[in-house]
Amino acid sequence: EDKVVQSPLSLVVHEGDTVTLNCSYEVTNFRSLLWYKQEKKAPTFLFMLTSSGIEKKSGRLSSILDKKELFSILNITATQTGDSAVYLCAVEARYAGGTSYGKLTFGQGTILTVHP
Amino acid sequence: DAGVIQSPRHEVTEMGQEVTLRCKPISGHDYLFWYRQTMMRGLELLIYFNNNVPIDDSGMPEDRFSAKMPNASFSTLKIQPSEPRDSAVYFCASSGAEGRGHLHFGNGTRLTVT
Repeated sequence: EDKVVQSPLSLVVHEGDTVTLNCSYEVTNFRSLLWYKQEKKAPTFLFMLTSSGIEKKSGRLSSILDKKELFSILNITATQTGDSAVYLCAVEARYAGGTSYGKLTFGQGTILTVHP
Repeated sequence: DAGVIQSPRHEVTEMGQEVTLRCKPISGHDYLFWYRQTMMRGLELLIYFNNNVPIDDSGMPEDRFSAKMPNASFSTLKIQPSEPRDSAVYFCASSGAEGRGHLHFGNGTRLTVT
């Protein structure tokens, strides 16, 4: 069974701090790893990672994948109160018995709280 | 584009009643997913469709749950009969050319079964 474990489960920091969120996974027929941000409502897409060692960046957020160690990190520099959210890691795999990808397994999420 | 549209936003029903959740995916997206989110279990995939065909329904909890996608612009998730343990937020999501893993989520339906 595919498995995604995130750590820490919750994190409280002050504005301006840098945070690192962790995601480890076990999956058969890996295709990609994804990060999502969930505030009040629906998760919104942040990054998709498919290759090891290539950093993806978007403003103050960045992420990298290690396919050998089955691990990814999400970094947020100079945190702001608007970064407070649940950050979800997911892996995409091929569904059992078929050739089509698209099955996502989500981790339990990291709750980030940024105080002013 | 209006994004993924789900209805209703909230649903409160009594145990034993039938519940139907609705979803309109983003036009042109060929994958549609139904997820359920609870505090205890997080986000769980229930079922997903590719080009209106169900690909994997192994996450559907039991026979009380069924999902259909009669055309590319509409899907339903039905629970009959509903039970209190079905209380959760149900998300519909779609994906397309950006990659199957790049999901666009609707705002969800918060279901409460009393």
